[in-house]
Amino acid sequence: EVQLVESGGGLVKPGGSLRLSCAASGFTFRTYSMNWVRQAPGKGLEWVSSIGSRSSSIYYADSVKGRFTISRDNAQNSLYLQMNSLRAEDTAVYYCAREGEQQLVQAFDIWGQGTMVTVSS
Amino acid sequence: QSVLTQPPSASGTPGQRVTISCSGSSSNIGNNYVYWYQQLPGTAPKLLIYRNDQRPSGVPDRFSGSKSGTSASLAISGLRSEDEADYYCAAWDDRLSGRVFGGGTKLTVL
Repeated sequence: EVQLVESGGGLVKPGGSLRLSCAASGFTFRTYSMNWVRQAPGKGLEWVSSIGSRSSSIYYADSVKGRFTISRDNAQNSLYLQMNSLRAEDTAVYYCAREGEQQLVQAFDIWGQGTMVTVSS
Repeated sequence: QSVLTQPPSASGTPGQRVTISCSGSSSNIGNNYVYWYQQLPGTAPKLLIYRNDQRPSGVPDRFSGSKSGTSASLAISGLRSEDEADYYCAAWDDRLSGRVFGGGTKLTVL
């Protein structure tokens, strides 16, 4: 079964750091681009970051640029998001999402269940 | 404020046809594909439409997408109670060098 499972969320104080992980299974992880998308409580979806299959192409939303770092370990079938200098407005459910291949390129065709990050003192 | 503009809500009765609009600009919808996602209450989003008007396998043909210029639309025909969800449009934005989502449309089946 194709699956993405996020972990690492929790409660952190403003200015603190947190590292999210996304474990992939059921597909050849190393051939797919991956993304992080977040959703603040009661709000819409916001794309956060993307990384190419070989980590050669990395993009960030302006709202997290300079504070968040996306990375991956293809040997471990894992995606990461290092979040530094966290702010209250970073409070959200963070989803990892696979970007499809061929005709589905740029489509987020597989999503994890999400992990909650709460930034509060 | 989202880069792509959607109506916050839409509604219809069972069996009806409803459409949800998504308005953007030349840097996103006007020059790139549009994607639609469905988010049922309490669940992760699900890909509904890709490349403007293509349905992934398993998505009923009641769902259809279209694009014209800098706007796109999602149509749902034969509305069912299980279609009650939030719907989001998305596209790549050349100016921002990133993905952008619409603010989402909450569909209520009356």
